[in-house]
Amino acid sequence: AQKVTQAQTEISVVEKEDVTLDCVYETRDTTYYLFWYKQPPSGELVFLIRRNSFDEQNEISGRYSWNFQKSTSSFNFTITASQVVDSAVYFCALTRDSSYKLIFGSGTRLLVRP
Amino acid sequence: EPEVTQTPSHQVTQMGQEVILRCVPISNHLYFYWYRQILGQKVEFLVSFYNNEISEKSEIFDDQFSVERPDGSNFTLKIRSTKLEDSAMYFCASRDNSGNTIYFGEGSWLTVV
Repeated sequence: AQKVTQAQTEISVVEKEDVTLDCVYETRDTTYYLFWYKQPPSGELVFLIRRNSFDEQNEISGRYSWNFQKSTSSFNFTITASQVVDSAVYFCALTRDSSYKLIFGSGTRLLVRP
Repeated sequence: EPEVTQTPSHQVTQMGQEVILRCVPISNHLYFYWYRQILGQKVEFLVSFYNNEISEKSEIFDDQFSVERPDGSNFTLKIRSTKLEDSAMYFCASRDNSGNTIYFGEGSWLTVV
């Protein structure tokens, strides 16, 4: 069975702080994909990143970076120099290669205070 | 940038009424999905659709639910007789044949009273 755990239900930081959102996953598949989505207060789901199981290279996109470690089944997301606009719920998700049915974690609500 | 569009953005309906939620997936995408999110909870898979048929569905997707692609652009979710517990945000999503990224629409918020 597949499972995604986001143990942090809510994080509050002051603007310009760095913050890391944790994601731990479980799967028996050898080929799978991991995603991060952002859900701002307006409610839509915004795609942030996709990583496949064969690519453990970390990725940086502006203030965002992702650390994928198969050894610990983790796919953590770091926001550097957080901004108020980063306030949202962030979801980590997992899908196997054959179905692309996304299994979501319960989400981490990030509040960035001015 | 191409996007998935959903209508209505918000619908209020009486219990027992039929509801149809509409989606226009990204134009060259071939795989379509519906997910739902009950207020404050995680996003849950409902159904996937490919080549004009359901490819996978969850236990939530019971006989009250159906999906259809009535023409070349729309993808609909019908709830035959709504229940209070159907109140949720319903997300449509699509994926192309070669990419592995699923793009979501802005959601349709359904309130059953």
